[in-house]
Amino acid sequence: KAGVTQTPRYLIKTRGQQVTLSCSPISGHRSVSWYQQTPGQGLQFLFEYFSETQRNKGNFPGRFSGRQFSNSRSEMNVSTLELGDSALYLCASSTASGGTGELFFGEGSRLTVL
Amino acid sequence: SQQGEEDPQALSIQEGENATMNCSYKTSINNLQWYRQNSGRGLVHLILIRSNEREKHSGRLRVTLDTSKKSSSLLITASRAADTASYFCATTDYNQGGKLIFGQGTELSVKP
Repeated sequence: KAGVTQTPRYLIKTRGQQVTLSCSPISGHRSVSWYQQTPGQGLQFLFEYFSETQRNKGNFPGRFSGRQFSNSRSEMNVSTLELGDSALYLCASSTASGGTGELFFGEGSRLTVL
Repeated sequence: SQQGEEDPQALSIQEGENATMNCSYKTSINNLQWYRQNSGRGLVHLILIRSNEREKHSGRLRVTLDTSKKSSSLLITASRAADTASYFCATTDYNQGGKLIFGQGTELSVKP
C-alpha cells in the first residue's frame, strides 16, 4: 500500500503570496488531518477532514483553509503569507476521525516565506 | 494549548543504554499514542495504549500508562544509534471536539 504523499516537498514564497499544499492519503483512509510544525510552537493542529467535511479546526486565522475531495485527497491553502508561516506542514491520514486512531504521516511540505 | 508534555526535553545516552521518556497530560483520555520523528521527516506511529491498559510492549519499546497520575512513559531498551530521533506523545482532546494533540517532544540522541 502506498503511503501518504504530500506535494510539493519544498517551496519558497514571498510575503503576501498564497500557497496550496496537497495530500494524498492512504487508500481507504477517509480522515485527513493537517499540522503545522515549527521549532518554537511544535506541532500545532490545523484541521481535520473526514468524508469531505471539516470535523475540527485548530486556532489558526482564516488565512488557513482546507478542503477534501470525494477521493479523500486534501488540499490546504494559506493566503497572504507572513514570515511566521514558514514551517513544515504535515498531513496525516487515518481510518478513524477525531484523533482516536493511529495517524499515518506524509513526509511534509516545507514552506519558506521570504 | 498542549495536551501532553514530555520530559526531559532532550536526552543523550550511549548505545546499549536504556532511554526513558515521560509524558504528562491534562484531561481524561481514551488512549495515548507515541510517535517518532527523524529530523525533518514525517512522524511514525510507535504504539497506542488504551486507558484501560497499564502496560504495552512492542519489540524494544515498553509503554506504561497511569491514568490516576495522568502520565505515561516510553522506555526504549538497548538503544541504537538509529533510535536517534524526537519522540512525541499524543492524546485526543475531547474538550476541543476531538483532535489529536501532540506534546513538545523529547529529543533523543544515541551516541555510538
